[in-house]
Amino acid sequence: DIQMTQSPSSLSASVGDRVTITCRASQTISTYLDWYRQRPGKAPELLIYGASSLQSGVPSRFSGSGSGTEFTLTISGLQPEDFATYYCHHNSNYRLTFGGGTKVDIK
Amino acid sequence: QVQLVESGGGVVQPGRSLRLSCAASGFTFKNYAVHWVRQAPGKGLEWVAVIRYDGSNIDYGDSVKGRFTISRDNTRNTLYLQMNSLRPEDTALYYCARVSGRDGYTFVDYWGQGTLVTVSS
Repeated sequence: DIQMTQSPSSLSASVGDRVTITCRASQTISTYLDWYRQRPGKAPELLIYGASSLQSGVPSRFSGSGSGTEFTLTISGLQPEDFATYYCHHNSNYRLTFGGGTKVDIK
Repeated sequence: QVQLVESGGGVVQPGRSLRLSCAASGFTFKNYAVHWVRQAPGKGLEWVAVIRYDGSNIDYGDSVKGRFTISRDNTRNTLYLQMNSLRPEDTALYYCARVSGRDGYTFVDYWGQGTLVTVSS
């Protein structure tokens, strides 16, 4: 089974900061990689699919890049609602694998 | 608007059973695959099971295979998860989540708010 590893597991940042989160797959997955944001007490929300495509309605401060085994989520200009946990995710024939999560909290 | 509403959670003793439901509305349920995903308290997301749009194709995570059964009733727009032989490590918030697709990719685009299952004596 493919394993997804996120780094860092947590980080502290301020409103307006640029934040980068990395996800690494244990084997190549082309661009079949999604990113979710989960605010405290809420369900996950889809941000990015296909490694770099912005989901409808998601602010443009979110961007994704990468292919193969290395992927990045960038938040350009952190907003108060972005203090949350972020998960990368791979779907292989409808079997879902999530990264361990990256918690972004207020510095 | 798309809504997924889970129910059926509660406190149950180890070894007992529980059935979760997920009521779908705001979209044509019979056209979509649906997952169950769980999240233990303070932990990350863990995939549990998936069922394709017509129920023809089903798969399970290794930790629940042989104990849990996913099913759906497209006439009632409802997804189910029958959980047998429950263990303390099954304690989690259980989400149902819809699969969608675009540009050759499939992804989960809508989630319910979850129903909490606590397995404890």
